[in-house]
Amino acid sequence: ETGVTQTPRHLVMGMTNKKSLKCEQHLGHNAMYWYKQSAKKPLELMFVYSLEERVENNSVPSRFSPECPNSSHLFLHLHTLQPEDSALYLCASSQEGGKGGETQYFGPGTRLLVL
Amino acid sequence: GQNIDQPTEMTATEGAIVQINCTYQTSGFNGLFWYQQHAGEAPTFLSYNVLDGLEEKGRFSSFLSRSKGYSYLLLKELQMKDSASYLCAVLDSNYQLIWGAGTKLIIKP
Repeated sequence: ETGVTQTPRHLVMGMTNKKSLKCEQHLGHNAMYWYKQSAKKPLELMFVYSLEERVENNSVPSRFSPECPNSSHLFLHLHTLQPEDSALYLCASSQEGGKGGETQYFGPGTRLLVL
Repeated sequence: GQNIDQPTEMTATEGAIVQINCTYQTSGFNGLFWYQQHAGEAPTFLSYNVLDGLEEKGRFSSFLSRSKGYSYLLLKELQMKDSASYLCAVLDSNYQLIWGAGTKLIIKP
């Protein structure tokens, strides 16, 4: 059992829709991450939160909007997405936020299809 | 730029040994991770190397040579359940994880 859950597991949306992805970690960690995983490409880090404050935003388009209300929950709000945004969106958590040899624990991901 | 290279796909036979290589060029180095990801599932941690040498953990071992920018993951006594993608990731000088695209390992009976 991974300790990191994500909902929904699958999502199909049109380009004009608004939807949200949810992530919850039960590990008592202080840092949470959103990644995008496309077929045969490296994981792309989108956002990092440490103690509920955003510490990194890797030039992600504004149609992706993260929210971290507390250290256990992380959301990714989606609006006016493009077909090329179709991918697996992974959430992860770690103890402190990336310093040192921290292990990241991943959720199972949300498979997103944008039509 | 920063780059992690690993083979796209490998095939091996049940019961055999397979070595998955990873080479990296990054701005600084603070350790190298290997993760396993079964299709449709979360990546799970396998190993972390920060010093040169071989780390053994059951059927899996991970090797690092910092001078060569090289690591490998060695899987022994392969089982069908080892069919998965194996992701190599390097922690750079800014403590940012740089990920490879992953190696899909196919195990045949």
